[in-house]
Amino acid sequence: QVQLQESGPGLVEPSQTLSLTCSVSGGSINSGAYYWTWIRQNPGKGLEWIGYIYYSGSTYYNPSLKSRVAIAADTSKNHFSLNLASVTAADTGVYYCARASYYGSGYGMDVWGQGTTVTVSS
Amino acid sequence: EIVLTQSPGTLSLSPGERATLSCRASQSVSSSSLTWYQQKPGQAPRLLIYGVFSRATGIPDRFSGSGSGTDFTLTISRLEPEDFAVYYCQHYGSSSWTFGLGTKVEIK
Repeated sequence: QVQLQESGPGLVEPSQTLSLTCSVSGGSINSGAYYWTWIRQNPGKGLEWIGYIYYSGSTYYNPSLKSRVAIAADTSKNHFSLNLASVTAADTGVYYCARASYYGSGYGMDVWGQGTTVTVSS
Repeated sequence: EIVLTQSPGTLSLSPGERATLSCRASQSVSSSSLTWYQQKPGQAPRLLIYGVFSRATGIPDRFSGSGSGTDFTLTISRLEPEDFAVYYCQHYGSSSWTFGLGTKVEIK
């Protein structure tokens, strides 16, 4: 079955760009109508949707992060990536990649990575 | 952007009891866009219910979803020890996806 794995630096300095990659195994990133998604969770807090890239290549971002976020896909490497610019301590948290889809009666994210912790600090 | 308000913040119950979790949307949403997740400490969220009513693959039938418009409910008919966790509702909007702040179901 499809599995996702996040990777990237665990420590990012303030004002720099946070860059993460989500590697997809067990399936092709462009094989179906999936939304390849990034979600984050600040320490002790709830979940926040960051954005997604659709299998067609279109992207949608959280309006509160839109000016700093870019999500891209590399089909040759079967992975998708997150870049978040000008980070501050408020961007510290666990970052998850996930696969969302429409299942006939509703939407859901049925496959998740294990999450990677990113700390913004000098 | 739709705001989702979950209540209560914490629910203290004993195994075997019934849990009723609420999710209220700031405006009416379509049934296809309302989803529930379960998250345990140190783990990624797990898809429970999509489209208000439909259980995801492998989810036991003690979990059920209901509601329409702005008011939605996740019910766990008889709590098992593994059900103590945080539950989030989520809305899939055309331009933004939002989560509620979660309800923690803890052992009384």
